[in-house]
Amino acid sequence: AQTVTQSQPEMSVQEAETVTLSCTYDTSESDYYLFWYKQPPSRQMILVIRQEAYKQQNATENRFSVNFQKAAKSFSLKISDSQLGDAAMYFCAYGSGNQFYFGTGTSLTVIP
Amino acid sequence: NAGVTQTPKFRILKIGQSMTLQCTQDMNHNYMYWYRQDPGMGLKLIYYSVGAGITDKGEVPNGYNVSRSTTEDFPLRLELAAPSQTSVYFCASILDGGRWDEQFFGPGTRLTVL
Repeated sequence: AQTVTQSQPEMSVQEAETVTLSCTYDTSESDYYLFWYKQPPSRQMILVIRQEAYKQQNATENRFSVNFQKAAKSFSLKISDSQLGDAAMYFCAYGSGNQFYFGTGTSLTVIP
Repeated sequence: NAGVTQTPKFRILKIGQSMTLQCTQDMNHNYMYWYRQDPGMGLKLIYYSVGAGITDKGEVPNGYNVSRSTTEDFPLRLELAAPSQTSVYFCASILDGGRWDEQFFGPGTRLTVL
């Protein structure tokens, strides 16, 4: 079975600094998607960034970027210039075929 | 478009009661999903449907039933509620298989079983 592992239950970052959240996954598929979702206290799942496995170039969305290492099955999220509004739970997720898997999440605190 | 809507937002059940969580999408998506999120955890797939009349089990299907009579609706039925089913339930949809790049989530239903 595919699994997604987030080894950092909690992280903190100073406002305006950079933080990296880690994610590893296990799969035997060659075609899949990887995602980072943000979940604020409202519980809404908000897509932060996505990466298609066949694309070698790392995805970026404004202050958010990923480091996708396909051979190592690693998919980390870098948040630059952290803002107070970035404080939330962050979930790494994997999707392929008819299955979608989430990691256990990393709680990010932003310190003013 | 309203996207994916879920009702109710909150519900408290007594052990042994039954209820149906409603999910509706207005995007004409073929695939729909039910997830549960336990406290401090990620979401786990309960059931999914690839089209009207077709459903299949996910990772944690025990204690739940689903049906899909229309493209728009994908209700989740809890029979004989148990405290272990206390969770937040999310419905989601995608247009077609593998189109995970456009997965839309509903706002969630918080269910407590006492």
